[in-house]
Amino acid sequence: GENVEQHPSTLSVQEGDSAVIKCTYSDSASNYFPWYKQELGKRPQLIIDIRSNVGEKKDQRIAVTLNKTAKHFSLHITETQPEDSAVYFCAARRGYNKLIFGAGTRLAVHP
Amino acid sequence: NAGVTQTPKFRILKIGQSMTLQCAQDMNHNYMYWYRQDPGMGLKLIYYSVGAGITDKGEVPNGYNVSRSTTEDFPLRLELAAPSQTSVYFCASSPTGTTNYGYTFGSGTRLTVV
Repeated sequence: GENVEQHPSTLSVQEGDSAVIKCTYSDSASNYFPWYKQELGKRPQLIIDIRSNVGEKKDQRIAVTLNKTAKHFSLHITETQPEDSAVYFCAARRGYNKLIFGAGTRLAVHP
Repeated sequence: NAGVTQTPKFRILKIGQSMTLQCAQDMNHNYMYWYRQDPGMGLKLIYYSVGAGITDKGEVPNGYNVSRSTTEDFPLRLELAAPSQTSVYFCASSPTGTTNYGYTFGSGTRLTVV
């Protein structure tokens, strides 16, 4: 079955720096890769996603890149702010829109 | 439009007890899912449903059962609670089709088995 690995598990940056989180997936049939942000005690919230026919997508300070050949995709956050502190999850889509999630990255942005 | 509603928000169970976690959505989504999230971990798929009367196992189905008698409701049943089932449970739904794959998550049920 699909396996999604996510790195790093924790990431600490200074406010204003960039943060990069990387994920790899195993199922070449996966065609949709969302990223979710989860604040403490809250439900996951979709922040950006990318489909397999696109190599890069940007939305203000966040961007996602996809390398289908290597089966990896990455989340890039520029000009980080303290409110970016949260746990971030990547996921890969399988049939019937099932999402297989990575284990998460705890991002801490220090003022 | 309430989205996905989960009840209860919190529950403490004793080992061996049973309970049903409720999930309802009002968006007419055919696809519904149950995930569990252990502390500091990602979400693991327990069961999913592609429509009324159709359910299937996910990654970690043991110890759980589901039913889908209507499009709106997708309850998750724990028959003999075990400490390993202590977790936060999220229900989610998504539309069918190819234009929007995005999930709508419920607010979660925090379950502790003692």
